[in-house]
Amino acid sequence: GENVEQHPSTLSVQEGDSAVIKCTYSDSASNYFPWYKQELGKRPQLIIDIRSNVGEKKDQRIAVTLNKTAKHFSLHITETQPEDSAVYFCAASDPLRGNNRLAFGKGNQVVVIP
Amino acid sequence: EPEVTQTPSHQVTQMGQEVILRCVPISNHLYFYWYRQILGQKVEFLVSFYNNEISEKSEIFDDQFSVERPDGSNFTLKIRSTKLEDSAMYFCASSRGPTSGEETQYFGPGTRLLVL
Repeated sequence: GENVEQHPSTLSVQEGDSAVIKCTYSDSASNYFPWYKQELGKRPQLIIDIRSNVGEKKDQRIAVTLNKTAKHFSLHITETQPEDSAVYFCAASDPLRGNNRLAFGKGNQVVVIP
Repeated sequence: EPEVTQTPSHQVTQMGQEVILRCVPISNHLYFYWYRQILGQKVEFLVSFYNNEISEKSEIFDDQFSVERPDGSNFTLKIRSTKLEDSAMYFCASSRGPTSGEETQYFGPGTRLLVL
């Protein structure tokens, strides 16, 4: 089955700097890649997703890039703010073939230092 | 904005007891899921459910687990005889469908299960 790895496990950044989290996946058939943000004690919230027919997607300060050849995708957060502090999970699935189970990475703890 | 809800938020049980975790998916969603997260580990897929039947299950989802949609709103996960290693956070999720544009999964707040 799909295996998703996520690096680094913890990331500390100064407020205003950028944060980048990288994920790799193993199944070349995966074609849907969501990112979830989980604040302490709260539910995972989708922040952005990308499908395999595009290489990059942006939403305000958040962007995701996908490299299908290398089988990795990255989350970019620019102008980080203290409220960006959370655990970020990447995931992969293959809904085009009816396989919608999400395979998650282990999560990154992002700490934004004011 | 509609959200997935789960009850209870915490459940403590004795090993060997049965537990039922409850979820109310978003009302116009057709696909439902259960995931679990053991402390410090990845979120793991357990099962997906569509049209009143299991559409996919993982190797974790053995005979001790079952799912049910007993009425038009609830979706339940039952663990028949809990083991210590079932202690985890259990997340329910739902999506409108499996196909492109509908596959976004919305998560509930989770039920923290502790088996003693």
